[in-house]
Formats: sequence, C-alpha cells, structure tokens
Amino acid sequence: QSMLTQPPSVSAAPGQKVTISCSGSSSNIGDNYVAWYQQLPGTAPKLLIYDNNKRPSGIPDRFSGSKSGTSATLGITGLQTGDEADYYCGAWDSSLFAVVFGGGTKLTVL
Amino acid sequence: QVQLQESGPGLVKPSETLSLTCTVSGDSLTNYYWSWIRQPPGKGLEYIGFIYYGGTTNYNPSLKSRVTISVATSKNQFSLKLTSVTAADSAVYYCARALPPGEVNCFDPWGQGTLVTVSS
Repeated sequence: QSMLTQPPSVSAAPGQKVTISCSGSSSNIGDNYVAWYQQLPGTAPKLLIYDNNKRPSGIPDRFSGSKSGTSATLGITGLQTGDEADYYCGAWDSSLFAVVFGGGTKLTVL
Repeated sequence: QVQLQESGPGLVKPSETLSLTCTVSGDSLTNYYWSWIRQPPGKGLEYIGFIYYGGTTNYNPSLKSRVTISVATSKNQFSLKLTSVTAADSAVYYCARALPPGEVNCFDPWGQGTLVTVSS
C-alpha cells in the first residue's frame, strides 16, 4: 500500500484541463517538497515537477504543480493525446526516512 | 547530458542474490545522491535506496535487511545487491540521480530500466 494516495485514473477530452491529486501526511507532503513524474507507456519515469511547483527545463507550462498542507495537485491544461501516461507523485518522508511514492494515476485523453 | 544505464542478469533464481550495476556518463558521482527504484510489472514505483559517493546510504525500511548499495567512484558506477529474492522481487529496476545536490527531493534523470525476473 502506497504512502501517498492518488486516484487510480482520470480522463478528459483533448484541449481540456485535468487535475491529479496526491494525498499524504505531515511527515511527507506536509514537511517536504513534492515531485511529479510522467511515465509514458513502456518508458522510464520522467521528472515533470519538482519542489512542489517548479518545472525542469523542457517541460511545457501546460504542466503545473501546487501544494497545500498534506496534499498536492498536478494540473495539465490543453490536453493532448501524447499526455496519456501514468503520473506519480513522490516525496521524502521524515518519519520513515525514505522516499515514498503515490500508487500512480493513469491519464486517458478521450 | 547525464545518462544512466543499468546492467545485470535478467533472470535470478529464488533465494539467490540479485546484482545490478548502474553506469553514469556525463556527470561525476560526487555531489549527488544516486538511487535505485523498482517497479513490479503493472504496478507502481517503489523506492529501494540511495548512496552518496562518500559511502552514506539510505534504504527503504521494508527492504533494508536484504539490500546493499555500493559505489565504485573510479568506474563512475554504483551497484545494487538484493539477497534472498522471491518472485515478489520481479520488477523493472531503475537507477536515477537524486536532486538537488546533497539532498533527495526528486529523481532526474532515470536510466531506461532493466527487467529482472525471479524464477527457477
């Protein structure tokens, strides 16, 4: 069972906006930075968002991140079929003294 | 451009030791933590642990009794050993660099991953 909780799946039409939630606790999201990863089918995860809301070079501004208390949210606007992927949140856990991940959310662009 | 490449046997027998190596190019092992993460087929990501070039390690408590991560700075490689494996250890194993330097807030980049199957 994952330490961070994500919805198993979300879906939206091309061009629309979608949000993916990630719920944790005071020892992980509440106390540390959140990162988001995109895993396209058959490929390795790729860093999408770090430090809650920063985008690495090359990541379009259609992707955004936010954090409030013990929850974080990934937002994707202007959905494209190429955004269909699994999305994972992750954070350091100060009590476990280890990194924890969410169970992943499968995004379907209808 | 930093690149990571995992290597090692794709098939390991139950109760034996899984051994993988990650070769880093385009960056030195100093200044960063280097990690192993795995993903069972069709499932989510599981953190295994990290190592700092000076030898400091951190392991997932659920795997700690069976895991050893080591570093070979001269070869720009770090390695994973997982003992007493069972079918539950079958997964794609990824190596990754932790960011920012000296901390573990996220992982970037990742290797392409290597599938390890535990079966007799």
